[in-house]
Amino acid sequence: QLQLQESGPGLVKPSETLSLTCTVSGGTISSSSYYWGWIRQPPGKGLEWIGNVYFTGNTYYNPSLKSRVTVSVDTSKNQFSLKLTSMTAADTAMYYCTRWRRSGSSFDYWGQGTLVTVSS
Amino acid sequence: QSVLTQPPSVSAAPGQKVTISCSGSSSDIGSNFVSWYQHFPGTAPKLLIYDDDKRPSGVPDRFSGSKSGTSATLGITGLQTGDEADYYCGTWDISLNIGVFGGGTKLTVL
Repeated sequence: QLQLQESGPGLVKPSETLSLTCTVSGGTISSSSYYWGWIRQPPGKGLEWIGNVYFTGNTYYNPSLKSRVTVSVDTSKNQFSLKLTSMTAADTAMYYCTRWRRSGSSFDYWGQGTLVTVSS
Repeated sequence: QSVLTQPPSVSAAPGQKVTISCSGSSSDIGSNFVSWYQHFPGTAPKLLIYDDDKRPSGVPDRFSGSKSGTSATLGITGLQTGDEADYYCGTWDISLNIGVFGGGTKLTVL
């Protein structure tokens, strides 16, 4: 059974950079059928897609975050990562790592999520 | 503001049927498959419907999906109190190459 697990700091100071890693187990990140993505949910709000990465390193990003976000993949570790710079209180959210099916465009597996709070 | 439009809330009595709408445009729903997610607060969202109308293994057939043009609908029959959750539609915008979601619909089973 595929499992995704987020790891990273739960508290980030304003203006700093958030770094999260998602470890994939029970399957390979190098599958040609999937992208790997990040989605977040601010408190009391809906889901917001952040970006996707393919095992080759090809990426897609949310235009509203594109200037601040980098999603990368490390196939040797079966992991992918999120970096979000210049964090503000508006970036406080639950962050989920996910698997995205290329055919059909659905997020079929999700990590449990990690709460990131931006505060000094 | 979300790209896809969903009603903020719907409600119905146990045993009844409810539908949740999701409206988009020609570049998202009109050009790609729609998926639906069930989200209980404090847990990870769960894929409920994919490719417009398919259910992953383990999802009861009380849940159904349909699509027409630039709108999609999630149907839930035989409502149970355990169905109380937030439901999100999602798809891919092929012109912008971005993932898009609806704002979510809170289902209350009265």
